[in-house]
Amino acid sequence: ELKVEQNPLFLSMQEGKNYTIYCNYSTTSDRLYWYRQDPGKSLESLFVLLSNGAVKQEGRLMASLDTKARLSTLHITAAVHDLSATYFCAVVILTDKLIFGTGTRLQVFP
Amino acid sequence: GAVVSQHPSRVICKSGTSVKIECRSLDFQATTMFWYRQFPKKSLMLMATSNEGSKATYEQGVEKDKFLINHASLTLSTLTVTSAHPEDSSFYICSARWDHSYEQYFGPGTRLTVT
Repeated sequence: ELKVEQNPLFLSMQEGKNYTIYCNYSTTSDRLYWYRQDPGKSLESLFVLLSNGAVKQEGRLMASLDTKARLSTLHITAAVHDLSATYFCAVVILTDKLIFGTGTRLQVFP
Repeated sequence: GAVVSQHPSRVICKSGTSVKIECRSLDFQATTMFWYRQFPKKSLMLMATSNEGSKATYEQGVEKDKFLINHASLTLSTLTVTSAHPEDSSFYICSARWDHSYEQYFGPGTRLTVT
């Protein structure tokens, strides 16, 4: 059974601090996505990672992919309150089916 | 670009009735559309995949007679929840993509409450 697990499930962090969210998946995949979801809203696409060793950065967020380890990370640098949201990774199987991770709820406090 | 809309955004219906949710791609032709459901504080679960002009492919455990999906055109897919029950209350999100695109574009979601 395909599993996509995120760690941690909940993260409370102080503004200005750094932290990393981990996404482990149990089957071969050549694409991985990161999304943000605000309460009551749909998904906002953050990153698509297409190959082993891919690294993408946007603002205070940086995502990386290690297909051999079946691991992706989302690194947060100098967190600000606006980053508070739930973050999902998602893995592609069978060409275009997305299997979502368990989600990480991030809360940034002053 | 790549905007997907859903209608309605919010619906309340009585137990036993049916409700239809529309998903439209506004500025592209969606060869494939997907339907997800999300329970509170949970992840998104894929319900079904639909390709224009053909029958939807349902995920294991999703009742195709209960969740009717129609993808009649390249810009519209509908999900009909038949004989709704309170346990069908959820956030339903569609997404759409075109051929050879890496991205799925997500709609804003529809919150269904069955009383």
